[in-house]
Amino acid sequence: GNSVTQMEGPVTLSEEAFLTINCTYTATGYPSLFWYVQYPGEGLQLLLKATKADDKGSNKGFEATYRKETTSFHLEKGSVQVSDSAVYFCALTLNYGGSQGNLIFGKGTKLSVKP
Amino acid sequence: DVKVTQSSRYLVKRTGEKVFLECVQDMDHENMFWYRQDPGLGLRLIYFSYDVKMKEKGDIPEGYSVSREKKERFSLILESASTNQTSMYLCASSFLGEKSEAFFGQGTRLTVV
Repeated sequence: GNSVTQMEGPVTLSEEAFLTINCTYTATGYPSLFWYVQYPGEGLQLLLKATKADDKGSNKGFEATYRKETTSFHLEKGSVQVSDSAVYFCALTLNYGGSQGNLIFGKGTKLSVKP
Repeated sequence: DVKVTQSSRYLVKRTGEKVFLECVQDMDHENMFWYRQDPGLGLRLIYFSYDVKMKEKGDIPEGYSVSREKKERFSLILESASTNQTSMYLCASSFLGEKSEAFFGQGTRLTVV
C-alpha cells in the first residue's frame, strides 16, 4: 500500500544546531511530496513541496530533495531557532482513480529547540 | 489569503449525541478532507470529497458520515458520539490534482463525555 514513514520523535536540539528529519515513502506511480508544519495550537501549514524526482523544495531555511532512487524526502535545516519548535509532517499525494490530491501523512515528528 | 474555517475550536458533547462539525473554504477548491489527529497516530483520513455530493471513505470512516451539498462546505457527522471519538478533527481543502497543496483549518478539539 501507499505509506509514509518518518523518524519518531521527539527531537530536542539546541539553538543553531543542524536538523535532519528522515522521511521515506512507498507509493504507486509518481507522487508529489510535501512537508507540513504544525505550530502549537494551530492547524497544519505547508512548509515546502517537490513534485518530481530531484526537485528540491525550500522555505524559511528548510530544504528537502525528492530522491526517487531511495524513495526519500528528508527535511534539513542548517541552524534551527527556538521558533522552529513544532510538529513536522511528511506527506504525499497520489494521482490515480478518484484520489486526485488525497494526502497521506506520516505520523509526525515533534521538534523542540532549546535556547 | 485562503481560508478554511471550522465552526468550533472546542466542543464538548455527551455520549450518544449526534454531532455536526462544519468546515467552509473560500478558494473554490474541489477537494475537501476530514482528518482526525491523535497522539502517536498522526493524521488519519476519515472521508474526503472531490466534488459536490461526492464522497470517498478514508482509512477510518466507521462511526462517521459526511455531507457536501455545496462546493465550499463539507460537514462531518458523528451519528452517535462515543468516548473513543474524543480527538482533534482537522478539515482541509485543495485543488484537484496531486501537485496541489492542502490548506487546513485550525482544528476542532472534540471531547465526548
